[in-house]
Amino acid sequence: DTEVTQTPKHLVMGMTNKKSLKCEQHMGHRAMYWYKQKAKKPPELMFVYSYEKLSINESVPSRFSPECPNSSLLNLHLHALQPEDSALYLCASSQVTTKLKTQYFGPGTRLLVL
Amino acid sequence: DQQVKQNSPSLSVQEGRISILNCDYTNSMFDYFLWYKKYPAEGPTFLISISSIKDKNEDGRFTVFLNKSAKHLSLHIVPSQPGDSAVYFCAVTNTGNQFYFGTGTSLTVIP
Repeated sequence: DTEVTQTPKHLVMGMTNKKSLKCEQHMGHRAMYWYKQKAKKPPELMFVYSYEKLSINESVPSRFSPECPNSSLLNLHLHALQPEDSALYLCASSQVTTKLKTQYFGPGTRLLVL
Repeated sequence: DQQVKQNSPSLSVQEGRISILNCDYTNSMFDYFLWYKKYPAEGPTFLISISSIKDKNEDGRFTVFLNKSAKHLSLHIVPSQPGDSAVYFCAVTNTGNQFYFGTGTSLTVIP
């Protein structure tokens, strides 16, 4: 099973709302990632968690707040977003300890900020 | 600074013919290379990978070639099918947890 699930599939929110994106994997992967992707662009790394600890934060604005409650779950809390934050948000996971590791992506959450 | 480049933003191929997608990277420390296929509004789907100790890896219709001296990899799809029409991203990584993605090539397979 190489499935990464994400909920919700679509989300529309106002600039004053608070919402959360959820990601789950049961492959035993201990590295989990959040990416943002705009149309016709490659995925842009936001955060990396390794063994449930934040290891990479690519200078993401504080209106995005990641959380890794356990080894299978990854959340992205959203607050006071801007319309330019509208994008496809992708979660991914991979092994940590092996050298040759493949990253598996979820289907994404399509976010629209009004 | 773009670590990975796909210089062809789009490619059109007749059904049944070979599709060749190219990718160049800058850092010789990368040791694992992947290709992903992506449909609009969906997450990338892993296709095939290759480690730096090999120069070719084949899986069905998909073959990835690696030329380490040129820092170049390519994906061959043969025969191409209309369902292969999608955006293809190459990605590179090393022992760290960072993956670098190319800018993507949009493949259209014409029936």
